[in-house]
Amino acid sequence: EIVMTQSPATLSVSPGERATLSCRASQSISRNLAWYQQKPGQAPRLLIYDASTRATGIPVRFSGSGSGTEFTLTISGLQSEDFAVYYCQRFNNRPPHWTFGQGTKVEIK
Amino acid sequence: QEQLVESGGAVVQPGRSLRLSCRASGFTFSLYGIHWVRQAPGKGLEWVAAIWFDGSQKYYGDSVKGRFTISRDNTNNAVFLQMDSLRVEDTAVYYCARDKEGWSGYYAGVTDVWGQGTTVTVSS
Repeated sequence: EIVMTQSPATLSVSPGERATLSCRASQSISRNLAWYQQKPGQAPRLLIYDASTRATGIPVRFSGSGSGTEFTLTISGLQSEDFAVYYCQRFNNRPPHWTFGQGTKVEIK
Repeated sequence: QEQLVESGGAVVQPGRSLRLSCRASGFTFSLYGIHWVRQAPGKGLEWVAAIWFDGSQKYYGDSVKGRFTISRDNTNNAVFLQMDSLRVEDTAVYYCARDKEGWSGYYAGVTDVWGQGTTVTVSS
């Protein structure tokens, strides 16, 4: 079973600064990685898929990179609405398997 | 607009059963795979179950396999999660979510439409 590990658990960032979140897979998953944002009391929202493709309507300040086992979500110029929990997710339908990381909370410094 | 609405959450005793519903509107439901994802209080996301757009394939997470059953009714735009032999550790908010692309293809599991969630509490 492939395990997804996110770091750090909590990231303290000042508004306007850059946040860099990491996600590591226990074995190669090519680029089969998505990122989601979740705010308190809300459902998750898809940000990125294929490791680096922004979903519809997602601002350009969100960018993803990586392949294989190491992935990064970068949020440039953090805005107040970006403080939330971010999850990475491995997706694969051959065979079907979907696993989330444990999440990174981005909080106001 | 494209929407999913869950219902059926309740407080139940361990060992009992519960059936959750997820009703869709605003898109061609029969083209899309649907997933259930849960979130225990203060915890992260856990994928629970998935059903292909046509109901031909069903998949379950290890923690619910053999106890939960996913099904769908494409005539009435609904997906169901039958939860049997409930345990305390099944306590969570249960979300249904739609694949971002139809036909349960390469991007199955990448979900772009989510419901608001329904709360299941298993307690004696």
